[in-house]
Amino acid sequence: AQSVTQLDSHVSVSEGTPVLLRCNYSSSYSPSLFWYVQHPNKGLQLLLKYTSAATLVKGINGFEAEFKKSETSFHLTKPSAHMSDAAEYFCVVSNKTSGTYKYIFGTGTRLKVLA
Amino acid sequence: ETGVTQTPRHLVMGMTNKKSLKCEQHLGHNAMYWYKQSAKKPLELMFVYSLEERVENNSVPSRFSPECPNSSHLFLHLHTLQPEDSALYLCASSQDTGLGTDTQYFGPGTRLTVL
Repeated sequence: AQSVTQLDSHVSVSEGTPVLLRCNYSSSYSPSLFWYVQHPNKGLQLLLKYTSAATLVKGINGFEAEFKKSETSFHLTKPSAHMSDAAEYFCVVSNKTSGTYKYIFGTGTRLKVLA
Repeated sequence: ETGVTQTPRHLVMGMTNKKSLKCEQHLGHNAMYWYKQSAKKPLELMFVYSLEERVENNSVPSRFSPECPNSSHLFLHLHTLQPEDSALYLCASSQDTGLGTDTQYFGPGTRLTVL
């Protein structure tokens, strides 16, 4: 079965410093992987997705993620954090059961950006 | 209006009330989903509809009853809920359920409080 593990429940960075949010996945075949962001009292917004094309995926708002098969990782990075990046981030793998693809969510990482 | 909309945004109900949550997608998608987001838990998939047919029911209690009258609308009928059902209920849509690369688009959610 597919699964994702987000290694940090909380991450704090200073504004202007790099962001690293870690995600490891478990999959028996080449997975599709996603990162979503959720701001307070809002729904989830897609940041980026990996679908077996380029291993370095660029997303919105300056975020990117690199698929590393050897490490089973899909970490999310941003060179310079902005105050507006403070939110919860979810790593997601798409899993197929009974002919239907469904999302399997990580437990989330809450990013705090310090002024 | 574009994207996925949900009404109401906030709902407070007693355990004996009956209420309904509504979701509408304006993206021309064929699949719709209900998720439950509780504090300190991963998002839980509740129901999946594809072309108005329910294709997934994740052992959800019968006090939650979904309805999909057409591919643009999804309802969640609530009856005799418990306080532990208090959560953010998220609706999502995707082009279909047969591709792992499909992106799900989320609504802003309904914050439900059961007294």
